Amino acid sequence: SAVISQKPSRDICQRGTSLTIQCQVDSQVTMMFWYRQQPGQSLTLIATANQGSEATYESGFVIDKFPISRPNLTFSTLTVSNMSPEDSSIYLCSVKSPTNYGVDTEAFFGQGTRLTVV
Amino acid sequence: AQSVSQHNHHVILSEAASLELGCNYSYGGTVNLFWYVQYPGQHLQLLLKYFSGDPLVKGIKGFEAEFIKSKFSFNLRKPSVQWSDTAEYFCAVNAPTGGFKTIFGAGTRLFVKA
Repeated sequence: SAVISQKPSRDICQRGTSLTIQCQVDSQVTMMFWYRQQPGQSLTLIATANQGSEATYESGFVIDKFPISRPNLTFSTLTVSNMSPEDSSIYLCSVKSPTNYGVDTEAFFGQGTRLTVV
Repeated sequence: AQSVSQHNHHVILSEAASLELGCNYSYGGTVNLFWYVQYPGQHLQLLLKYFSGDPLVKGIKGFEAEFIKSKFSFNLRKPSVQWSDTAEYFCAVNAPTGGFKTIFGAGTRLFVKA
């Protein structure tokens, strides 16, 4: 299992500003994912962040809006840039470590960051 | 692209009632299937998973799910719900060939009346 800490847990931001969300894991993990959960909706994958390579973004998400860093196997950041009220959401960090033989595992989640843009 | 459909968005049950939440996925290859639960104020956690083998899998707290490949379904069941089962339930799928990304359904909010 993995214990994930996200900071901040919540924030209220002015439109046009940027917020960087940190995700710290208590063990080394291969794969980290960033999700968005808008009010009353499901989790939508933003991007996959693997250490040592550029993040892979899903359709509808771009690096300029959601730059991601993954400097090592226990840490990642997601920045929400030039925010608008539509960015108000819960942002979740998730991790997993498939085995070397490609066997999948469950994903572990942090508590999330509740962002409100005013 | 993979997708997951959950048929019920809101379910209200009385304690001791039986529960079945529907889940269908769209992907023709090998998939791994999950049910996650989010209790009020808590983070998402795994309820159960299916990777291979017996298509009837048992999870925590008396939950089980049945994988029916021909129907692309992975329905969640519990014979007798409790008030403490009030939560949001998410069906999820990932295909190893898809980079191990987990794709979630829309979620079902379950409210159990005491």
